[in-house]
Amino acid sequence: GNSVTQMEGPVTLSEEAFLTINCTYTATGYPSLFWYVQYPGEGLQLLLKATKADDKGSNKGFEATYRKETTSFHLEKGSVQVSDSAVYFCALSDYGGSQGNLIFGKGTKLSVKP
Amino acid sequence: NAGVTQTPKFQVLKTGQSMTLQCAQDMNHNSMYWYRQDPGMGLRLIYYSASEGTTDKGEVPNGYNVSRLNKREFSLRLESAAPSQTSVYFCASRPGTSGNNEQFFGPGTRLTVL
Repeated sequence: GNSVTQMEGPVTLSEEAFLTINCTYTATGYPSLFWYVQYPGEGLQLLLKATKADDKGSNKGFEATYRKETTSFHLEKGSVQVSDSAVYFCALSDYGGSQGNLIFGKGTKLSVKP
Repeated sequence: NAGVTQTPKFQVLKTGQSMTLQCAQDMNHNSMYWYRQDPGMGLRLIYYSASEGTTDKGEVPNGYNVSRLNKREFSLRLESAAPSQTSVYFCASRPGTSGNNEQFFGPGTRLTVL
């Protein structure tokens, strides 16, 4: 079945450091890929998405490229801020699956220190 | 627009008690979802409703029932709460139109079963 694997956390970085959170997936067909962010005490918010191979999603300085050949969608940011501290979830949606349901990775907690 | 709203925000139950978690969205979305979030497990789908009048089981439906009351509202009921149902519950909605699989999340309900 479809699945998402993302790197385990927690990840602790200093402000202005480079961030990479790895995400790989297993899916049949051509899924859409998403990164969601969850700030403390809140629900999930869509951070960025990509709907086909080689698409790059970007938002708030974060980027991720849909790599079909490596089945990956790694999240990157060049210079993190304290306000980026949150839990990040990689997810996929399979058009051929059940009504466009999302399958989530287990989440990666990021802490950014001043 | 309030987006997706959930009530209550917090709830403590004793084993065997029942309760209903309420969810409403004002975005005229067709599809609605209930997830639970547990540490280290990511989000797991409990039930979903692809459109008004339909509901289907997700990955972890045991111990829960749902009602799609109308297009706006999707409730989750625990008939006889168990400590294993201690979790944070998120409701989400999706437009349901072809090509748009982004889901919008509510702020969550934190449930403790003693």
